Amino acid sequence: EDQVTQSPEALRLQEGESSSLNCSYTVSGLRGLFWYRQDPGKGPEFLFTLYSAGEEKEKERLKATLTKKESFLHITAPKPEDSATYLCAASSGGGADGLTFGKGTHLIIQP
Amino acid sequence: EAGVVQSPRYKIIEKKQPVAFWCNPISGHNTLYWYLQNLGQGPELLIRYENEEAVDDSQLPKDRFSAERLKGVDSTLKIQPAELGDSAVYLCASSLCPTGTLTGPLSYEQYFGPGTRLTVT
Repeated sequence: EDQVTQSPEALRLQEGESSSLNCSYTVSGLRGLFWYRQDPGKGPEFLFTLYSAGEEKEKERLKATLTKKESFLHITAPKPEDSATYLCAASSGGGADGLTFGKGTHLIIQP
Repeated sequence: EAGVVQSPRYKIIEKKQPVAFWCNPISGHNTLYWYLQNLGQGPELLIRYENEEAVDDSQLPKDRFSAERLKGVDSTLKIQPAELGDSAVYLCASSLCPTGTLTGPLSYEQYFGPGTRLTVT
């Protein structure tokens, strides 16, 4: 059974204080590792897809990396507007397969 | 480009009553998913469609839940009768899988709607 575990569950940072969120996955044949951002009362918003170990992708203050067992979401010099829940999801099937999500990391950036 | 549209956004019903949720995916997306999200948890897949065919409904409680995707576009998820434990957010997502890749080696990003928050009293 596919499993995705995220840590920490919650993280409070000062504005400008960089950190990383962790996503450990156990899937039989990873077909894609996805990061989403979710704001209260909204659906998840797509951020990144990673397909193979060593791959990295960046968007503004966020950078996602992938190893054979984990993915990290690095947040550099965060701002209060980066506050949200960050969800990691894995797919072990191809094409149109469903995603297995972690519980998310609730990130709060204090001004 | 319009995103995934869901309605209603909120629904409050009494237990044992029926309820239905509607989803309009992003134009041209051939795959559609229904997820359930409980408070403090990640979304959990209920059913996925490839065009008009339900290809994975193993997590759908078929005694009370049903879904359809007529003409491979809009979709409706129904619960009858609703139970207290069904209170959650129901999310619809869609994705575009290039022709010939529906069972290919890669997965493609899914785009989510805002969800319907269901409260069963």
